[in-house]
Amino acid sequence: QQQVKQSPQSLIVQKGGISIINCAYENTAFDYFPWYQQFPGKGPALLIAIRPDVSEKKEGRFTISFNKSAKQFSLHIMDSQPGDSATYFCAAPSTGGQGNLIFGKGTKLSVKP
Amino acid sequence: NAGVMQNPRHLVRRRGQEARLRCSPMKGHSHVYWYRQLPEEGLKFMVYLQKENIIDESGMPKERFSAEFPKEGPSILRIQQVVRGDSAAYFCASSPVSPTYEQYFGPGTRLTVT
Repeated sequence: QQQVKQSPQSLIVQKGGISIINCAYENTAFDYFPWYQQFPGKGPALLIAIRPDVSEKKEGRFTISFNKSAKQFSLHIMDSQPGDSATYFCAAPSTGGQGNLIFGKGTKLSVKP
Repeated sequence: NAGVMQNPRHLVRRRGQEARLRCSPMKGHSHVYWYRQLPEEGLKFMVYLQKENIIDESGMPKERFSAEFPKEGPSILRIQQVVRGDSAAYFCASSPVSPTYEQYFGPGTRLTVT
């Protein structure tokens, strides 16, 4: 069973700081790496995604950095705001599956005012 | 464009009862995925369906769980003879006509078994 290992489990950042969440994957055949944001009591919302033909993708304050040789990808949240406080999940497509995603265990981000 | 809809949002069942969870995909989406989330855990894939077909059920428990996505109407995840360990949040996601990893999630159904 392919795994996606996410760290840290929890993260506290001051308002205006940079939040960094990391994920490592095993299968080099993975070709899509999304990040989801989940607020308590809500469903996960697709935040940003990257394919391995690029090393970085930026959308507003959110950036994915991708390191193919290290089999790692990370989410950077610039100028973190209290409204960013949520749980973030990385994911990758399941090898042998037909579209289903394997999720990391999540990072609970708390941004202090 | 309405998002993925799930109902009920909260469901309480006693041990041994049946639970039926419904999911209506986004307009134009014909691929539906069900995931389960235990407290403080990530999401675990259960089943992938297209209209009238189960494509991948490798994540479904072998007993008591079933899913369908009929030609008309929502997708249904059915859990028979529920046990306390079935208590979890169940999320449905949908994706467009062509298989894609861009999955959009509904708000979930929180099942509590007493």
